[in-house]
Amino acid sequence: GAVVSQHPSWVICKSGTSVKIECRSLDFQATTMFWYRQFPKQSLMLMATSNEGSKATYEQGVEKDKFLINHASLTLSTLTVTSAHPEDSSFYICSARDYAGGPYEQYFGPGTRLTVT
Amino acid sequence: GENVEQHPSTLSVQEGDSAVIKCTYSDSASNYFPWYKQELGKRPQLIIDIRSNVGEKKDQRIAVTLNKTAKHFSLHITETQPEDSAVYFCAASHDRNKLVFGAGTILRVKS
Repeated sequence: GAVVSQHPSWVICKSGTSVKIECRSLDFQATTMFWYRQFPKQSLMLMATSNEGSKATYEQGVEKDKFLINHASLTLSTLTVTSAHPEDSSFYICSARDYAGGPYEQYFGPGTRLTVT
Repeated sequence: GENVEQHPSTLSVQEGDSAVIKCTYSDSASNYFPWYKQELGKRPQLIIDIRSNVGEKKDQRIAVTLNKTAKHFSLHITETQPEDSAVYFCAASHDRNKLVFGAGTILRVKS
C-alpha cells in the first residue's frame, strides 16, 4: 500500500515552454501533497505544500507564478513549470500524506527528471 | 523555522564496520524524525523513523537514537554491506507540518 506515482518520469523541453508533472496517490487519499526540487548532489528542497481544494503554500523564494500547483482531487496534484529555463532543470519529487493514516509519514513519488534545453 | 544540520557529508567505512550519521535540529516542537536512503536517480526510501516519545528504535541492522534535550538524533548502521552505499538524509517535522531535510551524507561501504 501507500504508492505514489509521478508522470512523466523524465521530460525534455525547450526554453520558454511549459511542462506539467502529475503526482498521484494510487491506493490512498492524500489531503496534503508536497513538491520538492533536488539539484545534483544536494538535498530535497521543499517548494510548496498542496492541500486538496485550496491554494498551495509556497516556500520562501519559490515563484508561485512560475511553478503552478493544482490539487484538484484527493489523489492528484500537478506541478506546471511555466516558461521553463535551463536553470529549472532539476529532479522534481512529490510526496503525499495519507488522509486516513497517522499524521507523520510521507510517501514519495519516483521523481521526474526535467531537462530544459 | 526548523533547521536541520547533518554530519558528516561523506563517510567511508569498510564492509562489516559500523556507520554513524548525526543530525541536530533547532525547533523543540519537532516530534517526528525520519531517515531516508536515496540511491542515484531514485526516490527517497524511508528506512527508519522515531517519534519524540521514544529514545531509541531498532530494526535489524539499523537503529536511531534521539536526545530531545540536546536536540540531536543519530542513525546507526551495523555490519555494513556494499548495498548500504547510498545518500542518507535525516529530516524533522512537527505533526502534519512539512519535513525539513538535512544536507545528506554520502555513505560508501568498501568491500
